[in-house]
Amino acid sequence: GAGVSQTPSNKVTEKGKYVELRCDPISGHTALYWYRQSLGQGPEFLIYFQGTGAADDSGLPNDRFFAVRPEGSVSTLKIQRTERGDSAVYLCASSSLAGGPREQFFGPGTRLTVL
Amino acid sequence: DQQVKQNSPSLSVQEGRISILNCDYTNSMFDYFLWYKKYPAEGPTFLISISSIKDKNEDGRFTVFLNKSAKHLSLHIVPSQPGDSAVYFCAARGTQGGSEKLVFGKGTKLTVNP
Repeated sequence: GAGVSQTPSNKVTEKGKYVELRCDPISGHTALYWYRQSLGQGPEFLIYFQGTGAADDSGLPNDRFFAVRPEGSVSTLKIQRTERGDSAVYLCASSSLAGGPREQFFGPGTRLTVL
Repeated sequence: DQQVKQNSPSLSVQEGRISILNCDYTNSMFDYFLWYKKYPAEGPTFLISISSIKDKNEDGRFTVFLNKSAKHLSLHIVPSQPGDSAVYFCAARGTQGGSEKLVFGKGTKLTVNP
């Protein structure tokens, strides 16, 4: 595909359940990012991968959140014991890290609702 | 502590006029500033960027100005078109510690009236 894709587009779960959110970056992009956007806010950084490794995970709010990128392409964001406050749109972005601005290209997001 | 601030939640302009969206920041270590545009139910789309060593960058109808001494940047859209109606986010990149993370403002909703 031409752009970043994310699945599912919507996820409704119950408090305490486990969820996985998937991101397929643009082919060849070495950098992958996860952000979270709550209503009325801008995207908030969660984690950044350079290849397979997490280069910066300082934005993960607590140890219930975890992300992997085992082969340096697809990434999965995992949330354990979900809480109502986890409800948000989870955005994934990728970048080639080429050029000065190294702009990040975003997917459409996964809207997570925790009941 | 918000490092990137967009103090105007909304802006309304007439088609054909200039739209000016503002952004302030507090961290002098940011090396690039980027503007993103977002339509409902879509991810943010990159619009234009500016390096911290420049004071202006222009791309078609879009121009971004950077005033480092005031820690302020602005996005000018001229002429504004109804299709420009969207939420605009200002974002800043700091490469401290090797991270490429973007820090976003809360966004400004632009409405261009026909």
